[in-house]
Amino acid sequence: GESVGLHLPTLSVQEGDNSIINCAYSNSASDYFIWYKQESGKGPQFIIDIRSNMDKRQGQRVTVLLNKTVKHLSLQIAATQPGDSAVYFCADTTDSWGKLQFGAGTQVVVTP
Amino acid sequence: IAGITQAPTSQILAAGRRMTLRCTQDMRHNAMYWYRQDLGLGLRLIHYSNTAGTTGKGEVPDGYSVSRANTDDFPLTLASAVPSQTSVYFCASSDPKGWENTIYFGEGSWLTVV
Repeated sequence: GESVGLHLPTLSVQEGDNSIINCAYSNSASDYFIWYKQESGKGPQFIIDIRSNMDKRQGQRVTVLLNKTVKHLSLQIAATQPGDSAVYFCADTTDSWGKLQFGAGTQVVVTP
Repeated sequence: IAGITQAPTSQILAAGRRMTLRCTQDMRHNAMYWYRQDLGLGLRLIHYSNTAGTTGKGEVPDGYSVSRANTDDFPLTLASAVPSQTSVYFCASSDPKGWENTIYFGEGSWLTVV
């Protein structure tokens, strides 16, 4: 079946720099996308979401960009902090009840 | 603090034994979900429930059963545990409104089947 995938398993970022985490999806019917952050030993935490009729959505220090032409999703974290070190997952759904399809995750490591 | 409570937080279980993972949410969400997380495979949906009294199968339902007798509780049962069910199990809930459907996760139940 179609699924969401991630380009890089690990991303090393210097503290204060901006982070960009990429995600590709293959299901053209996907209409809702979510980014989650998961710290070690904890459950996933919602970061930001976007619907397929939007190109960009901003939150606090985070921006999600959606390019439907190439089926690509990215999460930008501004001024990355040590507390941003975690695994980041993108997920999509075509179901209004939110049965999400998750990618394998990207480990973000913030270095001083 | 409102949220999702899972129990137990961790368990070592002998193969062939029956086990129920408990999940309770106090947000009055209609939808609830069970996911398992394995290294390199991300989170995979086991079962879900759109509302009390209804359940459905997810991506990996075999060997698991669920029930949804009320809004708050959504237990996951392993009828006869096998080592391949060693995983971290996450319960989640959401209350879809329009196009937004933020799914909230519990802290997980770490299960080892030996």
